[in-house]
Amino acid sequence: EAQVTQNPRYLITVTGKKLTVTCSQNMNHEYMSWYRQDPGLGLRQIYYSMNVEVTDKGDVPEGYKVSRKEKRNFPLILESPSPNQTSLYFCASSPVERGYGYTFGSGTRLTVV
Amino acid sequence: KNEVEQSPQNLTAQEGEFITINCSYSVGISALHWLQQHPGGGIVSLFMLSSGKKKHGRLIATINIQEKHSSLHITASHPRDSAVYICAVTGNQFYFGTGTSLTVIP
Repeated sequence: EAQVTQNPRYLITVTGKKLTVTCSQNMNHEYMSWYRQDPGLGLRQIYYSMNVEVTDKGDVPEGYKVSRKEKRNFPLILESPSPNQTSLYFCASSPVERGYGYTFGSGTRLTVV
Repeated sequence: KNEVEQSPQNLTAQEGEFITINCSYSVGISALHWLQQHPGGGIVSLFMLSSGKKKHGRLIATINIQEKHSSLHITASHPRDSAVYICAVTGNQFYFGTGTSLTVIP
């Protein structure tokens, strides 16, 4: 089944403890991206990647890192999480050709205390 | 600043009604997307448009590039259509509207 898999689904952590949220897709998509969703603010793009070793900042990149060493994986790294990074995170992928939509992961609900 | 504006924010309809959700944007775009988010939180891509009109089942999406406006229509609405509908545009970045929360009452 074609899908984007995020892990974990839920995570509670403490301020300053490094964490990684994984994202993997099995559709050979070139484009992958990360978003956070907050009440009243909607979805905002954190980082995106057009292909392997090509990443770029979205709207709200501060406090996050990403890497794209393989086409299928696009992990989101929080080196020193803070409470304002408590949010619902989504990963998505798509082909770069026009006319194709995005496939979203199921989301990761992160709480930083 | 809001690059993408949706209306209405909340919408309650009776089963069977025709529903319209509107989206206006202020940036140059390569495509406009309509997304559906169910209460469980998962997001599904409904449409991706760069011009004209697309139809999938009871859902119809239209876009007017000159007016920078798109509409999502739901014909013969059903309680299972209850969800948050999000308009998003892709240009240099991906910009999202804050969503329209739709509740369809039996």
